Amino acid sequence: DAGVIQSPRHEVTEMGQEVTLRCKPISGHNSLFWYRQTMMRGLELLIYFNNNVPIDDSGMPEDRFSAKMPNASFSTLKIQPSEPRDSAVYFCASSHGTSGTDTQYFGPGTRLTVL
Amino acid sequence: AQKVTQAQTEISVVEKEDVTLDCVYETRDTTYYLFWYKQPPSGELVFLIRRNSFDEQNEISGRYSWNFQKSTSSFNFTITASQVVDSAVYFCALSAFQTGANNLFFGTGTRLTVIP
Repeated sequence: DAGVIQSPRHEVTEMGQEVTLRCKPISGHNSLFWYRQTMMRGLELLIYFNNNVPIDDSGMPEDRFSAKMPNASFSTLKIQPSEPRDSAVYFCASSHGTSGTDTQYFGPGTRLTVL
Repeated sequence: AQKVTQAQTEISVVEKEDVTLDCVYETRDTTYYLFWYKQPPSGELVFLIRRNSFDEQNEISGRYSWNFQKSTSSFNFTITASQVVDSAVYFCALSAFQTGANNLFFGTGTRLTVIP
């Protein structure tokens, strides 16, 4: 079975540009999570969806970040405009249930570098 | 509040040695789940184990074993006869049922280096 798929795997962009990260969760999973990993802050949750509906976006750093889940098999995380401090690895994860206690399976991550 | 502490930032062992990674957690919830994830140098996060707060039985999976002790709020992970492929960053994580926060609280990770 395919795991969580993320694209692109690496993204290098210049400050001020729009960046879109993409995620395809595991088929049949009902929850999707976006995390960011940095050396300074470790792994932090940005937003999560249950059945395609955003439930908690309190981790989104600021209005420059937005996330959508138009259907059960696709989600995007957009940064506009990007800044150097957004450089990080962004992970998407999915779980079968809608409880946070379900096992989350992570994608390979997107390494974002903003110059 | 939920908190996970992994006090060991880095550990180095020689191949075939046993190694234990410590994890101490804090939660006020009576129902919670604990997880371990592995992050190898390639960067992905690999799920290793999920354990609920009502099951204190130790678990063994091949060379991996986990010791869950509610009395000390610890969920330690032991690798027996370590191998070079075990070199990775290992994260302990906590998810509590009652908080309403549907997410994992991760520790800061322990970087394990197995020297051949």
